[in-house]
Amino acid sequence: EIVLTQSPATLSLSPGERATLSCRASQSVTSSYLAWYQQKPGQSPRLLIYGASNRATDIPDRFSGSVSGTDFTLTISRLEPEDFAVYYCQQYGGSPLYTFGQGIKLEIK
Amino acid sequence: EVQLVESGGALVKPGGSLRLSCEASGFTFSRHTIHWVRQAPGKGLEWVACISSSGTRSYYADSVKGRFTISRDNAKNSLFLQMNSLRVEDGAVYYCARDTSSWAPRLDWWGQGTLVTVSS
Repeated sequence: EIVLTQSPATLSLSPGERATLSCRASQSVTSSYLAWYQQKPGQSPRLLIYGASNRATDIPDRFSGSVSGTDFTLTISRLEPEDFAVYYCQQYGGSPLYTFGQGIKLEIK
Repeated sequence: EVQLVESGGALVKPGGSLRLSCEASGFTFSRHTIHWVRQAPGKGLEWVACISSSGTRSYYADSVKGRFTISRDNAKNSLFLQMNSLRVEDGAVYYCARDTSSWAPRLDWWGQGTLVTVSS
């Protein structure tokens, strides 16, 4: 089973700052098969990044994704007030077929 | 506009059964794999199951295998989740989500969710 470990569990930052969110896979994950989602309270998740580094439709360019080996990173270059939310990484292709990380809560400092 | 609307959530006793539905519109339903993802109160996302565009292949999380059955009716643009032998830990908001079914699989549209509560 592929386990995705996200860190830190909570990230406290101020608007305008840079956020770096980590997602580490327990074994090799094809970059094409890694996505990131944002979820705000009371809302459904929203796709942000797919294929490790491709922004989904209508996602601002302050959001970017990268990969190094089994370490995937979501970066928000300059935080806007609406970016404070929970972020999940997700992989496809292992067993189970899809797996989510446990989530990172990005909160206002 | 793509829309996914779940229904069928309810309060059910442990050991009971429930059938969830997801009605799709705004896209060609029969071309997409569709998923169920759940979220227990205050917890993270858990993938539950998915079914191929034709309905011939389905996959399940170990936690629900043998108890839940995913199905679809492409003529009615509808997805279903039959949940049997429900446990307290199955209580969650259940989302249906569309898979792009492309070179980079991802869930690009989600419904608003339907709440399942399992309690005596």
